[in-house]
Amino acid sequence: GDSVTQMEGPVTLSEEAFLTINCTYTATGYPSLFWYVQYPGEGLQLLLKATKADDKGSNKGFEATYRKETTSFHLEKGSVQVSDSAVYFCALSENNNDMRFGAGTRLTVKP
Amino acid sequence: DTGVSQDPRHKITKRGQNVTFRCDPISEHNRLYWYRQTLGQGPEFLTYFQNEAQLEKSRLLSDRFSAERPKGSFSTLEIQRTEQGDSAMYLCASSFAGGGEQYFGPGTRLTVT
Repeated sequence: GDSVTQMEGPVTLSEEAFLTINCTYTATGYPSLFWYVQYPGEGLQLLLKATKADDKGSNKGFEATYRKETTSFHLEKGSVQVSDSAVYFCALSENNNDMRFGAGTRLTVKP
Repeated sequence: DTGVSQDPRHKITKRGQNVTFRCDPISEHNRLYWYRQTLGQGPEFLTYFQNEAQLEKSRLLSDRFSAERPKGSFSTLEIQRTEQGDSAMYLCASSFAGGGEQYFGPGTRLTVT
């Protein structure tokens, strides 16, 4: 069945460092891909999404490109801030039904 | 703001008791989803409704679990004869049909002692 594998954490970076969190997926069709973020003590929030191959989702300085050839949707940010500390989840949804999530990657950004 | 709300936020129960959680979706959304999240893991799909119809159930949803959405608005998730393995965060989400993007509530944290 469909699944998502994402980079294990935790990831610790200094402020202004470059961030990459890897995400690869397995799907039978052409899913939509998402990154959700969970800040401490808060619920899951959609960060960005892409619905077809080569689409780039972006929000708050984060970007991810839907790569069908490598079945990947890696999350990147050029310069992280302390406020980006959170758990990041990669997810897919095929046919707009249930969503499959990765295990999450905890990011800590130190000043 | 009319985001997704869940009640209660925390529930502690003894093994063998029944518990019921409520979810109120965003009012314009006709799809409602339930997920379970354990520590260090991503959410796992349990079931979803489109309006009042329950369209899909995961194999994770044992016969001790039942979900309803009687009027196509709020939903309840009941767990009968709770077990310690049921301890988790139960998340509700809603979306437009075909919209893909799901909006999540804050979750109900269940602890079974």
